[in-house]
Amino acid sequence: EAGVAQSPRYKIIEKRQSVAFWCNPISGHATLYWYQQILGQGPKLLIQFQNNGVVDDSQLPKDRFSAERLKGVDSTLKIQPAKLEDSAVYLCASSRGVQGAFFGQGTRLTVV
Amino acid sequence: KQEVTQIPAALSVPEGENLVLNCSFTDSAIYNLQWFRQDPGKGLTSLLLIQSSQREQTSGRLNASLDKSSGRSTLYIAASQPGDSATYLCAVRPVSGGNKLVFGAGTILRVKS
Repeated sequence: EAGVAQSPRYKIIEKRQSVAFWCNPISGHATLYWYQQILGQGPKLLIQFQNNGVVDDSQLPKDRFSAERLKGVDSTLKIQPAKLEDSAVYLCASSRGVQGAFFGQGTRLTVV
Repeated sequence: KQEVTQIPAALSVPEGENLVLNCSFTDSAIYNLQWFRQDPGKGLTSLLLIQSSQREQTSGRLNASLDKSSGRSTLYIAASQPGDSATYLCAVRPVSGGNKLVFGAGTILRVKS
């Protein structure tokens, strides 16, 4: 079974620029998560989808972050405009119901 | 609000030692608890998943236990190897809160050869 795919692996942008990340979950997993992991901290949930509907986006900075999951499969996360404090690893994960979650390799974003 | 704490924050041991990593959570109403490994610059690899009705799970040299009533889990690593060096994260899936994972900050493990 193929794992969770994310791209790009690395991205360096200047502050105030925009950036987008892509995630393709494991086939058949209805739940998709985007987490932000700042260096030295545990991952923090940004947004959770169930199929193509948003379940939880309470910690998503909606003035600059947006995410969509069209057709209930792959998903994109966008930041516009980026700030220095957005430098982090962005992790995508998927799960089937309340079973274990599987994570992609992550995208390391550096904002300079 | 569910909070997860991992102790110690960092651990350095000589090769061959058995070691225990600790995870505590504030709300015992969980579906399950999952231990992950994270290598530098990489994503999370699932190590063990313990359902709320289970007491422990084993995989090779790893054994994870769960005491839901006291809000604690331990990850036991037997005969540690330099290749075990990584950050270990635990995460719980609360019953309330929409099926998300709540993570601790992790334990950074270094196994010296």
